[in-house]
Amino acid sequence: DVKVTQSSRYLVKRTGEKVFLECVQDMDHENMFWYRQDPGLGLRLIYFSYDVKMKEKGDIPEGYSVSREKKERFSLILESASTNQTSMYLCATSVLLDTQYFGPGTRLTVL
Amino acid sequence: GQQVMQIPQYQHVQEGEDFTTYCNSSTTLSNIQWYKQRPGGHPVFLIQLVKSGEVKKQKRLTFQFGEAKKNSSLHITATQTTDVGTYFCAGFSGAGSYQLTFGKGTKLSVIP
Repeated sequence: DVKVTQSSRYLVKRTGEKVFLECVQDMDHENMFWYRQDPGLGLRLIYFSYDVKMKEKGDIPEGYSVSREKKERFSLILESASTNQTSMYLCATSVLLDTQYFGPGTRLTVL
Repeated sequence: GQQVMQIPQYQHVQEGEDFTTYCNSSTTLSNIQWYKQRPGGHPVFLIQLVKSGEVKKQKRLTFQFGEAKKNSSLHITATQTTDVGTYFCAGFSGAGSYQLTFGKGTKLSVIP
């Protein structure tokens, strides 16, 4: 079974703080993705990575950056958190165009 | 960019009734995937359709991919309370991109 873990289920941060969300997978998948999920807006892609040290912008990259130093780990960074970044953040992995496996999500609240 | 529209946004059905959600893409898709997210959970893969006109079944769930590969549907026969959740379609446009574009989902409520 593919296992995708995320560093926290719930996180509360203050405006202006730097926030790190980490995702780790154990299946040697090339592709990793960060989405945010908001009511009525579905899943929106923030960034994805198809190889170590490679990254591509998704649909809503503004205010975020990512890091992939090792194949199994993909980090999402909020350089200066803002209240409009309060959301559910989901990490996913896949092989090529195949099934995406999601982590349990991190519910981030920015006060 | 590619857009994937999904309707309806919400559906309330009596247990035992049928349910259908529809997905339409602005561009031709190389494949389409369906996911289910239970309340409080994360999206879980259900199925992938690749061929034009393809129909696949999983017990009470029937998935179709349109002839033009721009639309898809998920039909649930005789809904049960275990079917509650949000159903998402998601499509790849291909063209060398690994980006999967999700519809906004249909939230299904089943009244016992």
